[in-house]
This record gives sequence, C-alpha cells and structure tokens, in this order.
Amino acid sequence: QKEVEQNSGPLSVPEGAIASLNCTYSDRVSQSFFWYRQYSGKSPELIMSIYSNGDKEDGRFTAQLNKASQYVSLLIRDSQPSDSATYLCAAVISGGYNKLIFGAGTRLAVHP
Amino acid sequence: DGGITQSPKYLFRKEGQNVTLSCEQNLNHDAMYWYRQDPGQGLRLIYYSQIVNDFQKGDIAEGYSVSREKKESFPLTVTSAQKNPTAFYLCASSMQGLIEAFFGQGTRLTVV
Repeated sequence: QKEVEQNSGPLSVPEGAIASLNCTYSDRVSQSFFWYRQYSGKSPELIMSIYSNGDKEDGRFTAQLNKASQYVSLLIRDSQPSDSATYLCAAVISGGYNKLIFGAGTRLAVHP
Repeated sequence: DGGITQSPKYLFRKEGQNVTLSCEQNLNHDAMYWYRQDPGQGLRLIYYSQIVNDFQKGDIAEGYSVSREKKESFPLTVTSAQKNPTAFYLCASSMQGLIEAFFGQGTRLTVV
C-alpha cells in the first residue's frame, strides 16, 4: 500500500456544486496533513492543513480528518471554474527525521 | 519579499553533463526539500535537510546530490548518473517540525 493514496480523477463537477476530494493513508503516516492546489505548469500552493480529528473550515474549503478510517478529505463549496486544478494530499512520516510525502493528486474540472 | 527562489526556471542539459539547480529561501526556515514531478504524477522526494550540514536521502536519491552549507540555501546537482532527468523540480521549505511547507516556482529540466 502506498503511504498516501488519491484517486487521480478527473473529477468533474458543475459550477456552484460541492467538490469532494479524498485521500487515504497508511499506518506509517503521522497526524499532520496538508492539501495543496497545483495549476498546470505551476508549483503547488498550500490551501489547507489539518492536524486533529474532525473538520476545519477556511472560506469555501473544509478539510476533514478521520483517524479511525485513515482518510482525509477536502470539500470545496460553490465550486468555480478557477478551482480547476490538481489537488495534492500530503502527509508527514515521522521517525528520526520528518519527511513530507505526497499523493499522486486528483485533477478537478469545474465546468460552467 | 519573503519567499523561496529557484533558478533557473528552465534548464537544458546535454547527455553526460552535471547540472546544479539553485534554491534559496529568506523565510528563516530550518528544513528544506527537493521533489521531482513527472507529467501527470505526484511529487517524489529526492533529498531533504532539517538543519545546516545535515541531509537525508528521500525515495529517489540515486543520481542526485545536495549540500546544505547555509541555512538559506539547498542546491541540487543532477549528475550524469541520473538516466532520466527530464522533469519538473520543486524546492520547498518549512519551519522545524514540518508544520507547513512552501514551494518555490520550480525548475523545468530537459535533456537535449
């Protein structure tokens, strides 16, 4: 099992809908999780971080962490065409030296 | 402006050449990372460093080398031993303890 797994998509949603992006992780991963947005040809941009079980909201974005089921999700409310990008889930592997690892990313397409 | 600067933005390498990618940060971050991204793929960790004069191999370190002589600088050398170096290279940095990592704009390396 990969340490961080994502469905590569594409996930297609209509403008104004809720986009739901999911990420599962292995036992090796610690409890720090991040969502990055990456536009084509650009570098990743941090949009959300979550460290404890439950929900964290920031504007139209909500990150959800469920430690028992080992998944973390990102909800985007009122999706806009400008949200069309690849969303990368990242997590920390602890132990001696912390390292940040990424899933393969989910491509989101928001159509008008 | 505080941030992470990668240079050059585009780099062309001939077969058998070593090339060095620059990464400089003025965020006073302790930790720095190098990732490689291939088309349609996620980020794979090459090397990372938590403190000056110390660094660790990531998942795909073969054919690469790094140094960390100064806190603000973490250059990556792509050696001739790296057989398939064409990729998008991303440098990131974070505070000690890996709270959140931020990326430079990336270097696109092409072998000609």
